[in-house]
Amino acid sequence: GAVVSQHPSWVICKSGTSVKIECRSLDFQATTMFWYRQFPKQSLMLMATSNEGSKATYEQGVEKDKFLINHASLTLSTLTVTSAHPEDSSFYICSARAGQVAPSEQFFGPGTRLTVL
Amino acid sequence: AQSVTQLGSHVSVSEGALVLLRCNYSSSVPPYLFWYVQYPNQGLQLLLKYTSAATLVKGINGFEAEFKKSETSFHLTKPSAHMSDAAEYFCAAGSGSARQLTFGSGTQLTVLP
Repeated sequence: GAVVSQHPSWVICKSGTSVKIECRSLDFQATTMFWYRQFPKQSLMLMATSNEGSKATYEQGVEKDKFLINHASLTLSTLTVTSAHPEDSSFYICSARAGQVAPSEQFFGPGTRLTVL
Repeated sequence: AQSVTQLGSHVSVSEGALVLLRCNYSSSVPPYLFWYVQYPNQGLQLLLKYTSAATLVKGINGFEAEFKKSETSFHLTKPSAHMSDAAEYFCAAGSGSARQLTFGSGTQLTVLP
């Protein structure tokens, strides 16, 4: 099956610094990538949708200047949390969708645990 | 707009017992439906999906789900629970035109020895 990787798997940073998370589709070309945020014992909340070569579409309430998303190629999307604060601590999960598979099917990465001190 | 409701945030079963996790969707058109499993500190793994073919869908690890349009349900079942089934389970719905998935709130499955 399709494999999606994320790097790093966990990161600890100081308040005010920026953190970049990478999401890669390893064996397929991802026309669309999604970024989710998950708080402990809660469901996934969609943050943004990105298509290769175009600007990301952010969900209501998600600050696009704080959560910068770049989808520079068909296999790589990055999420940068700028000027991170403790309230940004969360589990961030990306997913990728390929044009060849059934509509709406997404393949998920293993997630990145962000802790902001 | 779609919504997905998972009844029961926590379900406990004994090892070897039937597993039943409930999912209801709200959609104006028949959606695509998915069940995902999430183990601690990991991403989501697809268990099975319904894409308007057979209403009874078989997935991995012995799980299956039945799409019932009249009840707008897509409950997940497994005849005999195993300790390794303990995890968080998410039901999700997506339409053919939309690219996004709507997730339910999740059900934590505990398997008792």
